[in-house]
Amino acid sequence: AQSVTQPDIHITVSEGASLELRCNYSYGATPYLFWYVQSPGQGLQLLLKYFSGDTLVQGIKGFEAEFKRSQSSFNLRKPSVHWSDAAEYFCAVGPGGNKLVFGAGTILRVKS
Amino acid sequence: KAGVTQTPRYLIKTRGQQVTLSCSPISGHRSVSWYQQTPGQGLQFLFEYFSETQRNKGNFPGRFSGRQFSNSRSEMNVSTLELGDSALYLCASSLERGGASSPLHFGNGTRLTVT
Repeated sequence: AQSVTQPDIHITVSEGASLELRCNYSYGATPYLFWYVQSPGQGLQLLLKYFSGDTLVQGIKGFEAEFKRSQSSFNLRKPSVHWSDAAEYFCAVGPGGNKLVFGAGTILRVKS
Repeated sequence: KAGVTQTPRYLIKTRGQQVTLSCSPISGHRSVSWYQQTPGQGLQFLFEYFSETQRNKGNFPGRFSGRQFSNSRSEMNVSTLELGDSALYLCASSLERGGASSPLHFGNGTRLTVT
């Protein structure tokens, strides 16, 4: 069965510091991988996606993620965090189609 | 282009009642999916509709149902509400049936509270 693990429930970083959010997945074939962000009271916004090709993918708002098949990981990174990045981040995996399996989410707090 | 629109934004219902939630996808999007988000279970897939047909279903009881109209708008219905149905219900649309080339775009959700 597909599954997604986001090991960190909460992460706090200082504004301007770098960020890495971890995501590990379990899936039998090459998955579609996604990162979404959710601000309080809002829906989910797609940050970036991976299906094939270059293992380093660029997304919106300065985020990037690297797919590592050997580690079954798809970690999200940002070189310099802004206060507006405070939100909850979700990693998701899917076989195609719209039945995504989401991780439990990581809440990012940014301290000034 | 307008995003995914969900109505109503908030709902309060009593146990045993039924409820209907509505979703208007992004113009041109033909696939609509529904997700339930709760603090305990996180985000869980309910069902997916494409061309008015249910294409995929999550592991939810039959009290949860949905439909899609010819204009791609979708509704989901929950009958005989239980306290555990309190959640944020998210609708998402995509151009086709999804994947990296056709990712999901989410609405802001309907917050259902069952008392």
